[in-house]
Amino acid sequence: GAVVSQHPSWVICKSGTSVKIECRSLDFQATTMFWYRQFPKQSLMLMATSNEGSKATYEQGVEKDKFLINHASLTLSTLTVTSAHPEDSSFYICSARLAGGPGRHEQFFGPGTRLTVL
Amino acid sequence: AQSVAQPEDQVNVAEGNPLTVKCTYSVSGNPYLFWYVQYPNRGLQFLLKYITGDNLVKGSYGFEAEFNKSQTSFHLKKPSALVSDSALYFCAVRAHDYKLSFGAGTTVTVRA
Repeated sequence: GAVVSQHPSWVICKSGTSVKIECRSLDFQATTMFWYRQFPKQSLMLMATSNEGSKATYEQGVEKDKFLINHASLTLSTLTVTSAHPEDSSFYICSARLAGGPGRHEQFFGPGTRLTVL
Repeated sequence: AQSVAQPEDQVNVAEGNPLTVKCTYSVSGNPYLFWYVQYPNRGLQFLLKYITGDNLVKGSYGFEAEFNKSQTSFHLKKPSALVSDSALYFCAVRAHDYKLSFGAGTTVTVRA
């Protein structure tokens, strides 16, 4: 149980284009989803917290107009990297949290999406 | 603010030997602590967590961790390491708003 998927698993795009990454909780409802960014051999950096039906909360230093987050349902959150540039190339990971119960303390992570901007 | 520290960038052990990955924490209130493992180009896999209760927590794949309040530590251990345990390990602490703060990560290499 508590499986999170991401699509696509990898994407290559040209500079200036926009890329959408989907994060789905497959077998549970997730009130809250989180988006992280990870550079090679580094830790995860929280980008934003996404709550179903409301605006995402962005961490300090993260451009909300560049990284658009939508959480339209209890099982789907999307991250759109707008006007991508090579410096946006990174590994993007989402996670989801159960709405309640004993599992509410932890986050369940997706497999990640490797974005390469040429 | 809640935070964790992983003092070792790398840990190298021989297969069959005990494996320890260190983590210390700084929290206000009761700590909610986690260990995750990451294989190359993959997301994080949950290993174990400490919420409350027994200080020795048993997790997946033969891993365990000991919560030590006096030393503010939550070290990950495995009695007999396998080559397949070679990966990047993260300690994390949960804040009141359910956000996780991760340590810098420790690369474990188990040699055959």
